[in-house]
Amino acid sequence: QQQVKQSPQSLIVQKGGISIINCAYENTAFDYFPWYQQFPGKGPALLIAIRPDVSEKKEGRFTISFNKSAKQFSLHIMDSQPGDSATYFCAGLNTGTASKLTFGTGTRLQVTL
Amino acid sequence: DVKVTQSSRYLVKRTGEKVFLECVQDMDHENMFWYRQDPGLGLRLIYFSYDVKMKEKGDIPEGYSVSREKKERFSLILESASTNQTSMYLCASRTPGQYRGYTFGSGTRLTVV
Repeated sequence: QQQVKQSPQSLIVQKGGISIINCAYENTAFDYFPWYQQFPGKGPALLIAIRPDVSEKKEGRFTISFNKSAKQFSLHIMDSQPGDSATYFCAGLNTGTASKLTFGTGTRLQVTL
Repeated sequence: DVKVTQSSRYLVKRTGEKVFLECVQDMDHENMFWYRQDPGLGLRLIYFSYDVKMKEKGDIPEGYSVSREKKERFSLILESASTNQTSMYLCASRTPGQYRGYTFGSGTRLTVV
């Protein structure tokens, strides 16, 4: 049961370009949408998160855009750098219940020189 | 910073063996989780625990059990390891409250031969 669909599965972006990863969710009870970044050999780490009462959140070069009516959200990485090469996971959480994050399937990002 | 420590980075076990994966967190978090990570499938929840001695099945509990005798420690048990349990296993913890994400360990890569 895939409640969070993530695309693309992999992405290659040139240094300085914009990386865009998209997610769509089904569960309208989700009220917290985090993005995780995972480097090889490491566990995922929280990168940025948004609540559905705002349409955009920006932290440095990372921006989440959120469209509640379409049940979609996306991660934009501006001025992508080779150090951003990692796997990115979107997720949804219903904070009112069991605190279980539901993850997307992940996007492997490669930023080339 | 919260630290979630998984006792082994790599494990190789034989089919039919009973396998214990250990996870310890140091920030008094009530909630703990076990996920497995497979390429193209993202992170799938195996079991989680709200508090000591409390546990609930996640999305893929078959072939696994868990133990939480102390708040800081959450163990995943493979009762009789099989080759389809070869995977990366990730432990995470979280404190209840709105808009809080998980903290993950670095993972245990288990190979069953």
